[in-house]
Amino acid sequence: RKEVEQDPGPFNVPEGATVAFNCTYSNSASQSFFWYRQDCRKEPKLLMSVYSSGNEDGRFTAQLNRASQYISLLIRDSKLSDSATYLCVVNTGNTPLVFGKGTRLSVIA
Amino acid sequence: ETGVTQTPRHLVMGMTNKKSLKCEQHLGHNAMYWYKQSAKKPLELMFVYNFKEQTENNSVPSRFSPECPNSSHLFLHLHTLQPEDSALYLCASSQVTPERGYTFGSGTRLTVV
Repeated sequence: RKEVEQDPGPFNVPEGATVAFNCTYSNSASQSFFWYRQDCRKEPKLLMSVYSSGNEDGRFTAQLNRASQYISLLIRDSKLSDSATYLCVVNTGNTPLVFGKGTRLSVIA
Repeated sequence: ETGVTQTPRHLVMGMTNKKSLKCEQHLGHNAMYWYKQSAKKPLELMFVYNFKEQTENNSVPSRFSPECPNSSHLFLHLHTLQPEDSALYLCASSQVTPERGYTFGSGTRLTVV
């Protein structure tokens, strides 16, 4: 089993839609989790940190289920500018962080 | 400006050239990383430095030679590269225990001709 697994997509959704991505991780001792956003040909940028059961930031909600070892990212009211690749990242307690391969989102007008 | 600065932003080099990529961070972090990202591919970890000591070399060919003179600066020396080495090279930094994740630089887009 891969350390961090994501559905590569692409997810093609219309503007205003709600979309959710899941990510599963294999190391039950993982301590903290992150969602990064990466635009085409740009560097990854931290979108949200997920430290406990989850957190919300505007249209974005991240949830953590330790029992099932998955993290989710929910985007409400999708905008064209949300089109990007979303990387699930896991801190297992040992450097370096483990990056998923990313889920590609395309929001269509 | 993320606090991690990479230069140059773009680089074109021949296969016989020698060049260096530079990364500098102003965040007080003590771990630094080099990643390679080929077109439409996931990130590939190359090297990890903690307190300027190399702690991980992810089976990177010797034509890539990292250098970390202090916790704020990281270099990647390049020589006799191949066209397949063309990629986006990303530097990142963090605390040694990356509880707040990594901060990435904007990357150097390298083309080997």
